[in-house]
Amino acid sequence: AQTVTQSQPEMSVQEAETVTLSCTYDTSESDYYLFWYKQPPSRQMILVIRQEAYKQQNATENRFSVNFQKAAKSFSLKISDSQLGDAAMYFCAYRSRVGSGTYKYIFGTGTRLKVLA
Amino acid sequence: GAGVSQSPSNKVTEKGKDVELRCDPISGHTALYWYRQSLGQGLEFLIYFQGNSAPDKSGLPSDRFSAERTGGSVSTLTIQRTQQEDSAVYLCASSLVGNNSPLHFGNGTRLTVT
Repeated sequence: AQTVTQSQPEMSVQEAETVTLSCTYDTSESDYYLFWYKQPPSRQMILVIRQEAYKQQNATENRFSVNFQKAAKSFSLKISDSQLGDAAMYFCAYRSRVGSGTYKYIFGTGTRLKVLA
Repeated sequence: GAGVSQSPSNKVTEKGKDVELRCDPISGHTALYWYRQSLGQGLEFLIYFQGNSAPDKSGLPSDRFSAERTGGSVSTLTIQRTQQEDSAVYLCASSLVGNNSPLHFGNGTRLTVT
């Protein structure tokens, strides 16, 4: 069974600085997607970035980028130029195919990010 | 609607009562997922629907939990004889079928069992 581990329950970063959130996963599959979701106090989960396992190039979305190490089964999120609005709970998620066009998502326990002014 | 809608936003119930949580997915989204988020925990998978059928119910924690989906749209998660350990945020998400379709989440229902 697949598992997702986030070993940092809480992280802090100064505004405008860079922070990296860690995520590791365990799987025997070769075809899968990885995601980072952000959950602000409003509770709504927002997709931050995704990575396809067969792509070697790391995904980037503006200030957010990932370091995907497939062999090490590691998928960390880097937030550059941190802003106060980045403060939230961040979840790493693994997606595997369970049927034609349908998927199962497994989430880590989350990392709470605090941004200090 | 524009997004996934969940109701109620908050629910307080007495131990032993039944509750129903509703999820209205984005129009056209055939895949629908229910997750439970307990304090300090990640998202625990409960069940997912493909259309009206539920191929995977493996995450339902006990037979007190059930879910249905009608018309390929609205889904209801029912918890019978609620217990205090059922207190959590229940999140619903939907997506289109296909490789490039991400999950879209609702704001969740916070259930408190007293």
